[in-house]
Amino acid sequence: EAEVAQSPRYKITEKSQAVAFWCDPISGHATLYWYRQILGQGPELLVQFQDESVVDDSQLPKDRFSAERLKGVDSTLKIQPAELGDSAMYLCASSLGAQRDTDTQYFGPGTRLTVL
Amino acid sequence: AQSVSQHNHHVILSEAASLELGCNYSYGGTVNLFWYVQYPGQHLQLLLKYFSGDPLVKGIKGFEAEFIKSKFSFNLRKPSVQWSDTAEYFCAVTARGWGKFQFGAGTQVVVTP
Repeated sequence: EAEVAQSPRYKITEKSQAVAFWCDPISGHATLYWYRQILGQGPELLVQFQDESVVDDSQLPKDRFSAERLKGVDSTLKIQPAELGDSAMYLCASSLGAQRDTDTQYFGPGTRLTVL
Repeated sequence: AQSVSQHNHHVILSEAASLELGCNYSYGGTVNLFWYVQYPGQHLQLLLKYFSGDPLVKGIKGFEAEFIKSKFSFNLRKPSVQWSDTAEYFCAVTARGWGKFQFGAGTQVVVTP
C-alpha cells in the first residue's frame, strides 16, 4: 500500500539553527499538506499545495517558516531560525484531488522536532 | 471562526465496554465531518466521514458516528471495544466549500484487557 514518506523521523536542534523536513506524497496525489501538532493538541494546518502552487498558507509563520513543492511532487518545509516554541510533530499529508473539504487525507509518520 | 471541541482528553475502559466519544463544532454553515484515528506507532488514518445523507455513518473496525445537526455534534461510537482499539481519536471539521481542516485536540482511549 502506498504511503506518504517523511524524513527525518526525529530532529534535535538548537535554537537559532535552521532545520528542514522532507515529504514525498503518495504518487499521483495532487494536494499536499503540512501540519504542526503540538503535544496534547490536534494537528494545525500550516500550508497546503495544489500541485506546485500554494493554496493556503494563512497559518504559516512566514517570518521563519517556508515551504516549497517545486515540481509538484515532493515538498520541503524549512524553519530558520528555529525557536523553542517550534518543538512539535510536523506531519505531511496528501490527497488525490483538489476537493480539500471532501478528499481523504493520507498522513505520513511525521517528524518529531525538539529545539533546545 | 470554526472550532472543534472534544470533551474527553483521556478515556480508560475495559474490553467489551461500549465507547462514545463526543465531538462538537461551532460553525453555522454546512460542514463535512471526519473522525481520524492514530494507533500506537502508526500514522493518522481515516476512520469515517460524513458529507450528507444518512446522519448515521459507519466506518472501519465497527465504528459508527451520528451527525446531529441541531446539537452541532458528531459523536463516535463502538458497541464493544477491543484491546486493539487503544489509540488517539481526532474529530475534524471542514466548512463546505472552504475546506480547511480543523482538528479537535484528540481523545486518548486506553482499553484494558
